[in-house]
Amino acid sequence: EAGVAQSPRYKIIEKRQSVAFWCNPISGHATLYWYQQILGQGPKLLIQFQNNGVVDDSQLPKDRFSAERLKGVDSTLKIQPAKLEDSAVYLCASSSPLLQSGANVLTFGAGSRLTVL
Amino acid sequence: ELKVEQNPLFLSMQEGKNYTIYCNYSTTSDRLYWYRQDPGKSLESLFVLLSNGAVKQEGRLMASLDTKARLSTLHITAAVHDLSATYFCAVAPYQTGANNLFFGTGTRLTVIP
Repeated sequence: EAGVAQSPRYKIIEKRQSVAFWCNPISGHATLYWYQQILGQGPKLLIQFQNNGVVDDSQLPKDRFSAERLKGVDSTLKIQPAKLEDSAVYLCASSSPLLQSGANVLTFGAGSRLTVL
Repeated sequence: ELKVEQNPLFLSMQEGKNYTIYCNYSTTSDRLYWYRQDPGKSLESLFVLLSNGAVKQEGRLMASLDTKARLSTLHITAAVHDLSATYFCAVAPYQTGANNLFFGTGTRLTVIP
């Protein structure tokens, strides 16, 4: 099966500019996640969608970050205006509904690396 | 605030040696995941541990879970260079109900020939 697709892979912008990242999850995966991974740290959840509804956005800096998944398939994460501390890799992941076992294995995309100057 | 702590953060070991990475977490959970990340690459799922006492093995890696101690271990047997990567544990807490994962800080493993 095709994996989680993300674009662009790399983006360099100046602070106060805006940027958008796109994600297309694995076909049939209802749940989509955006994680932020700062260099040397583990990924941190920004937002989780179930189909086109938001399940958890408690850690999303809503004054500058926004995300949507209008048709319940692909998703866009936007940052406006960007700050220096937003430099990170933005990982998109998707998962299928919980199996009987309770496992929820996330499949990650290759990530979008953002550098804010 | 939920904490997921791994140690060591950095590990340099010679080929053929054994070592254990530890993952401690601060919340109630019986779902623990291990992922591998190569430099510049995304995360790859290694193990899913779903109950107290669960043990999974794949090649030279073996993961275990003790939910009472809130501890998971990743044991490396007879390390080879190909195992060099960063290893993350991740916890799915009961109380979120959202099935998202909270990741540890990662352990960067370097296997020296």
